[in-house]
This record gives sequence, structure tokens and C-alpha cells, in this order.
Amino acid sequence: AQSVTQLDSHVSVSEGTPVLLRCNYSSSYSPSLFWYVQHPNKGLQLLLKYTSAATLVKGINGFEAEFKKSETSFHLTKPSAHMSDAAEYFCVVSPFSGGYNKLIFGAGTRLAVHP
Amino acid sequence: NAGVTQTPKFRVLKTGQSMTLLCAQDMNHEYMYWYRQDPGMGLRLIHYSVGEGTTAKGEVPDGYNVSRLKKQNFLLGLESAAPSQTSVYFCASSYSVHGGADYNEQFFGPGTRLTVL
Repeated sequence: AQSVTQLDSHVSVSEGTPVLLRCNYSSSYSPSLFWYVQHPNKGLQLLLKYTSAATLVKGINGFEAEFKKSETSFHLTKPSAHMSDAAEYFCVVSPFSGGYNKLIFGAGTRLAVHP
Repeated sequence: NAGVTQTPKFRVLKTGQSMTLLCAQDMNHEYMYWYRQDPGMGLRLIHYSVGEGTTAKGEVPDGYNVSRLKKQNFLLGLESAAPSQTSVYFCASSYSVHGGADYNEQFFGPGTRLTVL
């Protein structure tokens, strides 16, 4: 069965310090992987996606994620947090099975950024 | 290019009332989806559609019905609302469901916040 686990429900950092949001997945097939961000009372916005072209994926707003097949991980990082990064982040896996590729969402990680 | 839009943005219902949520997309996407978002549970798929005139059940379909009469629109109906359906509802669309992330990336609407009293 396919699943995705976000290891931290809440992460708190100071402005200017690095951000690490952890995500592990399980999939029987070669998955597509995404990170989405949701700001308060807003819809979901795509941060980045893994397309198998490169294991290090760069996204918007300085975020990047590294696909590590051996660890089944797709952690999201940013070198320096900004106040505007405060939001909820969802790791999403789409297991490629040759049929319908539904998205499987993690429970989310709420990122707080303090001055 | 508005992307994915949803109406209404907010709604309060009494138990037993009915309503329809409208989703529209202008990207000519074949595939559309309805999700609900509840605290600590991420998004869960209610129903989806792989093309005009077709719909299918997702993870949590009970109590909901959908219709896709036009390619650009996907309607979610609640025939008899219950307090358990209090949630935030998101519509999404994608170009495809096959292949890699370039094809099955989903684009989301801003959400509808529904409260059932």
C-alpha cells in the first residue's frame, strides 16, 4: 500500500535559520512526489515536484527537496527562513501504477517562523 | 487565466439542507477532483472525474454526489447535510493522471469553507 508520512506536525524556526520538513513515503512503484504549501485560509500552491529527471529538485521561494530512493525520503529544505514562509506544508505522493494516479497526502507540517 | 475557481467561498447549512458547490477550470484539463480537508488529516479525495460525463468514487464518497456535464465544470452536491460534513472543500484539476509529475500535477482552487449546524 502506498502512504506518505510527514514526521513532524509542527516545526518552529527563527527567521534567517534553515528549514527542514521531513517526509517519508512508501510506494510499490516509481512515484511522483510533490510538496504543496497552504497559507492560512488559502488554497494549495505547488512548491516543487519530482519528475525523476534529477534527485535534487528546486522549487519556488528558495525551497528545494532531495529524492532519496534508498531512504524513501523527500525532505523539504530552505537555507534561510522568511516570515512569509509560515504556512502548512504537505508532502504528496502519486504512485505510478499504470492506472489512475491518485494523490496521497501527508497529514501536513505547520511551519512557524519567529522574528 | 483564472485557473481553478470555486463558489461559494463560505456557507453555513442546517442539518438536512442540501447544497451544491461549483468548481470551474479554464485550463482545458480532462481530470477534476473534489477533496475535503479536516485538521490533522491532510486532504481526502471524495470523488473525481476523468472526463466530461464520467465520475468515480474516491476515498470518502458517502453523503456526496457529483456531476461533470461540461468539461470545465465539476459540481459537488450534498443532498442532506450532516455536521460530519463540516469541512473545507477543495477542487482540483490536472492535465492527466498518467505518466510522471509533469502530467499529473494537480492545480487547486481556493476552497469552500462549509459549516453544518
